[in-house]
Amino acid sequence: DGGITQSPKYLFRKEGQNVTLSCEQNLNHDAMYWYRQDPGQGLRLIYYSQIVNDFQKGDIAEGYSVSREKKESFPLTVTSAQKNPTAFYLCASSTHRVGGEDTQYFGPGTRLTVL
Amino acid sequence: SQQGEEDPQALSIQEGENATMNCSYKTSINNLQWYRQNSGRGLVHLILIRSNEREKHSGRLRVTLDTSKKSSSLLITASRAADTASYFCAIRNTGGFKTIFGAGTRLFVKA
Repeated sequence: DGGITQSPKYLFRKEGQNVTLSCEQNLNHDAMYWYRQDPGQGLRLIYYSQIVNDFQKGDIAEGYSVSREKKESFPLTVTSAQKNPTAFYLCASSTHRVGGEDTQYFGPGTRLTVL
Repeated sequence: SQQGEEDPQALSIQEGENATMNCSYKTSINNLQWYRQNSGRGLVHLILIRSNEREKHSGRLRVTLDTSKKSSSLLITASRAADTASYFCAIRNTGGFKTIFGAGTRLFVKA
């Protein structure tokens, strides 16, 4: 059963704490992405990775960090430096086609709330 | 902004009616995609239309692309209550890697 999974579904964090959101895919995709979605808004790109051991900042990378040690995994850490982290976080993967067709497959999302 | 901008922001229709959503963008694109998101869930890819295509169909979905006007439309025919969701257009710029999502149209289909 191929797909992309995210955990946990809901996450609560106290101010000043770092938290890590998990994203795993078994689609054999090279590229992986993290997006942030605020209520009633579209998706904003946080980080993306085109290949293992490589990643680039997206449009809103400040206060976030990622790693890509395995093809299947792309965890996102929300650090205490992120001033307003309460949001819905979506992970996606796709085949790596620069300038070409590139359908993204999304996980179910993690809703992070800062208490 | 390079992102696609959907219009309207929200749409409420009766079951059985057609729903039309529009997307405008500003750059030269390689392709344009439409995604659907049910409340609190991830996005699901619906359809992709290449820059050299003008119209594409998939079941009850019809997508058009007018590159001269930098716009696309998504038509859902004979809508059902289960079509209630947010619909996003996403553009892939020519030569680019990132896919840029718009803010979405929220569709509500009343039974």
